[in-house]
Amino acid sequence: EPEVTQTPSHQVTQMGQEVILRCVPISNHLYFYWYRQILGQKVEFLVSFYNNEISEKSEIFDDQFSVERPDGSNFTLKIRSTKLEDSAMYFCASSGMIHNQPQHFGDGTRLSIL
Amino acid sequence: GQQVMQIPQYQHVQEGEDFTTYCNSSTTLSNIQWYKQRPGGHPVFLIQLVKSGEVKKQKRLTFQFGEAKKNSSLHITATQTTDVGTYFCAGVRNNDMRFGAGTRLTVKP
Repeated sequence: EPEVTQTPSHQVTQMGQEVILRCVPISNHLYFYWYRQILGQKVEFLVSFYNNEISEKSEIFDDQFSVERPDGSNFTLKIRSTKLEDSAMYFCASSGMIHNQPQHFGDGTRLSIL
Repeated sequence: GQQVMQIPQYQHVQEGEDFTTYCNSSTTLSNIQWYKQRPGGHPVFLIQLVKSGEVKKQKRLTFQFGEAKKNSSLHITATQTTDVGTYFCAGVRNNDMRFGAGTRLTVKP
């Protein structure tokens, strides 16, 4: 069964540094998402992306965050200047041809800010 | 903005007991989805409910969507140790999907 893949599985970064989290969505999916989950807490929506542009974003997704689909397969989340509170698990998800279809999640990237 | 409340936060049951988690939205939803996250894992889609009053079953799991499309429940009959994990509802309105806080289920053998 097709999967969403995320790299790296764990990223450790100094506060203030930029990080890029990478995702390869399922190949025929059209909608892409980023979520974060602080340890032990709920899954929080960050942003959705369709047709090469952001379709929705949450209040968490401020100017420090950006997303990009640089080629036909990758979907990236960039955090420009990381803060301690950015430490969390970041999940990428994708869904199919119609919006609001079930989302398939990757295994996540654990981001640790020192 | 849209808020999705989910209760209880934790539930500990003896194997064989039933379990229910409830989800309430502050706004009318276009659909609601349920996900399960095993410890250390990622959310995995279980089911989607679209119609008012809809009830769907998956083996021992029963999902309901309220008549007003603002609340939903997941009921597990005769829990097993394989049911452990956190169950999240996700309310969808327009292009916006928001997760509830989840209910963490532990099952004592």
